[in-house]
Amino acid sequence: GNSVTQMEGPVTLSEEAFLTINCTYTATGYPSLFWYVQYPGEGLQLLLKATKADDKGSNKGFEATYRKETTSFHLEKGSVQVSDSAVYFCALSGTSYGKLTFGQGTILTVHP
Amino acid sequence: GAGVSQSPSNKVTEKGKDVELRCDPISGHTALYWYRQSLGQGLEFLIYFQGNSAPDKSGLPSDRFSAERTGGSVSTLTIQRTQQEDSAVYLCASSTKGNTEAFFGQGTRLTVV
Repeated sequence: GNSVTQMEGPVTLSEEAFLTINCTYTATGYPSLFWYVQYPGEGLQLLLKATKADDKGSNKGFEATYRKETTSFHLEKGSVQVSDSAVYFCALSGTSYGKLTFGQGTILTVHP
Repeated sequence: GAGVSQSPSNKVTEKGKDVELRCDPISGHTALYWYRQSLGQGLEFLIYFQGNSAPDKSGLPSDRFSAERTGGSVSTLTIQRTQQEDSAVYLCASSTKGNTEAFFGQGTRLTVV
């Protein structure tokens, strides 16, 4: 079956530091890949997505590239802010609808 | 409404009691999903509804769990004879048909004591 593995957290960074959260997946076929974010006290929100190999998803300064050869979708941001503190989930959908398989989540804390 | 609405936001129940959780999806969204977020298991898919099609129930953990969607809109997730391991945040999401991007509600935190 499908599975998603994320780097374990928590991750603690200083403001303006570079962020990488690793995500690898196992799936048959050609899944769509997602990063969701959960800010404190809020619901899950889609951060970015990519639907085919070599696609790059980007939003709010975050980027992730769909790498089929390494089955990865690592999340990066060049300069994090305190407001980026949240839990980040990597996910995939192997269907034509939103049935998602999630990674375990990575807690990011950014200090001023 | 503007977003996916779930009620109640918090529910404390005694072991063995039945509970009902409600989800009101975004207007016009024909697809509706239930997920469970728990410390031990992370985020797990439970069930998916699309229009009048048979639901995808492949994620329901036991026959104590059931869900229905009346009139193609509001959905109710029912857990019978609750157990302590049912304690979790139950998330509802909706999307347009054939779209993999799902919009999530804020969840119902269920605590079984």
